[in-house]
Amino acid sequence: SAVISQKPSRDICQRGTSLTIQCQVDSQVTMMFWYRQQPGQSLTLIATANQGSEATYESGFVIDKFPISRPNLTFSTLTVSNMSPEDSSIYLCSVAQSGNTIYFGEGSWLTVV
Amino acid sequence: DQQVKQNSPSLSVQEGRISILNCDYTNSMFDYFLWYKKYPAEGPTFLISISSIKDKNEDGRFTVFLNKSAKHLSLHIVPSQPGDSAVYFCAAYANDYKLSFGAGTTVTVRA
Repeated sequence: SAVISQKPSRDICQRGTSLTIQCQVDSQVTMMFWYRQQPGQSLTLIATANQGSEATYESGFVIDKFPISRPNLTFSTLTVSNMSPEDSSIYLCSVAQSGNTIYFGEGSWLTVV
Repeated sequence: DQQVKQNSPSLSVQEGRISILNCDYTNSMFDYFLWYKKYPAEGPTFLISISSIKDKNEDGRFTVFLNKSAKHLSLHIVPSQPGDSAVYFCAAYANDYKLSFGAGTTVTVRA
């Protein structure tokens, strides 16, 4: 399976600021996604990170709030913009590999104060 | 509209016994079903999956059963071990690899 590394693993952020999360995969992957898990809740898909084009966002998520970059097949970033306490979550990068399995990174735990 | 449902928020089982986790879904277009194990503040760890064209898949202590007509799947863990204590998520996707997750079931294995 792919090794998926996320940075930072956790951070405490001031409200109104922005933070960029990085996701690095040890092999080229076609499909890369970003998810969020708010406290006490399940995982929700934010967007599909498309290589070389704009990300595809799910209902309820917009590019201005969660800009995503995907410059190549092994790397992506998610920015959480103008953060509020409601953005306190674990943000997760995931990739789809051959064999139809989807793997996740370790997650980036953000707390907004 | 939640397409994947785990109606049991928690499960307590004695060490060595079987753990059975259940999951229901509503979207008949789902192609693959996956189970993940998750600890707090960590990413989900993939456990086992099953294609919609199969009714059973086994990997070591983990077996997943799929009943398409009932839109129901279950995960069996035998024997349960203390390290199995975690939150288990059922998830599914159609042909787009976009996962829909259930709410999760917290498993506690008692010594």
